[in-house]
Amino acid sequence: DGGITQSPKYLFRKEGQNVTLSCEQNLNHDAMYWYRQDPGQGLRLIYYSQIVNDFQKGDIAEGYSVSREKKESFPLTVTSAQKNPTAFYLCASSLPGGGGGTGELFFGEGSRLTVL
Amino acid sequence: GENVEQHPSTLSVQEGDSAVIKCTYSDSASNYFPWYKQELGKRPQLIIDIRSNVGEKKDQRIAVTLNKTAKHFSLHITETQPEDSAVYFCAASPPHNDMRFGAGTRLTVKP
Repeated sequence: DGGITQSPKYLFRKEGQNVTLSCEQNLNHDAMYWYRQDPGQGLRLIYYSQIVNDFQKGDIAEGYSVSREKKESFPLTVTSAQKNPTAFYLCASSLPGGGGGTGELFFGEGSRLTVL
Repeated sequence: GENVEQHPSTLSVQEGDSAVIKCTYSDSASNYFPWYKQELGKRPQLIIDIRSNVGEKKDQRIAVTLNKTAKHFSLHITETQPEDSAVYFCAASPPHNDMRFGAGTRLTVKP
């Protein structure tokens, strides 16, 4: 069954701790993304990767880090430098669209991080 | 990078009425404009999309229009039903894959 899997679904962290959110896809998609969702603010882009071993910062990359060592995996680390990490995090993947553009984004079910 | 503005933030309509959500974008290079629906506690899912070489696209009760000159695009839902109640997001993406989303519109369809 093809799809995109995020884990854990819920995560609690103490202040000062780093935490890594997992994102795995078996859709054979080249591009992967991380978004943060806060109430009333939509989806804000943290990082994206168009190809293995390459990734770009989005609008709110400060305090986050990523890696793309395998096509299937794009983990996100929320570091202690992130000032307000409590949020809902969504991972997505896509194939290229026509004309060099983006294709449809397929989202995971999300990970809710709470900092205690 | 791209900046997407979405209005209104909340919209309440009577069942059977139409609903319209509007978005503007800033990057003239953007060429892909999808709309996503997110029900409570679930992941966003694509409901319709349009590319910059098309001005309008329709799928049953849902339609999207694009005005490239004015850099705005709209979602139209006709004959709304209670199950259309959700948060709707517009998005815009230039060719280098960094898709940006609007802040969302919470649509409530009253029976």
